[in-house]
Amino acid sequence: AQSVTQLDSHVSVSEGTPVLLRCNYSSSYSPSLFWYVQHPNKGLQLLLKYTSAATLVKGINGFEAEFKKSETSFHLTKPSAHMSDAAEYFCVVTPEYNQGGKLIFGQGTELSVKP
Amino acid sequence: DTEVTQTPKHLVMGMTNKKSLKCEQHMGHRAMYWYKQKAKKPPELMFVYSYEKLSINESVPSRFSPECPNSSLLNLHLHALQPEDSALYLCASSADTRLAAYEQYFGPGTRLTVT
Repeated sequence: AQSVTQLDSHVSVSEGTPVLLRCNYSSSYSPSLFWYVQHPNKGLQLLLKYTSAATLVKGINGFEAEFKKSETSFHLTKPSAHMSDAAEYFCVVTPEYNQGGKLIFGQGTELSVKP
Repeated sequence: DTEVTQTPKHLVMGMTNKKSLKCEQHMGHRAMYWYKQKAKKPPELMFVYSYEKLSINESVPSRFSPECPNSSLLNLHLHALQPEDSALYLCASSADTRLAAYEQYFGPGTRLTVT
């Protein structure tokens, strides 16, 4: 069964330092992949999306992610964390065969940013 | 404009009440979704509407009744809920369900508390 694993349930960084949130997916195909961010008591906001074009994807708010097929990874990075980046982040993949728009969500990574 | 709106933001209801959640989008999307999200968990898909027809029901109890009056509106009617139904209810939309690669845009959610 297809799955997506976010390797850290919680990541803590200091303001101004780099952010790395790790995501691996299990599949024998090339899915579309997304990163969403959810601030407390808010909905999910799309950060970026990969759909088989450039492997390095730039998103909003300075985030980017690199698709590495050989490693089945899609890690999210940001060069310098800001306090406003503190939130829950979800890595999301499409299933191998379209199931009417269904998506596969990772369990989420909570990012804390210390001043 | 990539906005999905939801009303109300908060809802407290007793187990014998009937209430409705509303969702609206004006992006011309033909797919709309209801998700349920518990604290510190990813969203769980409940229903999918494609071209105003119910296409997916993830075995949701009948006390939840979805409705899609037109292509811009989505309702979720609630009746005789249980305390374990307390959660954040998220609405989302995407261009279509024929490609899972179409990104989903989420609303801010309705925080539901069942007493």
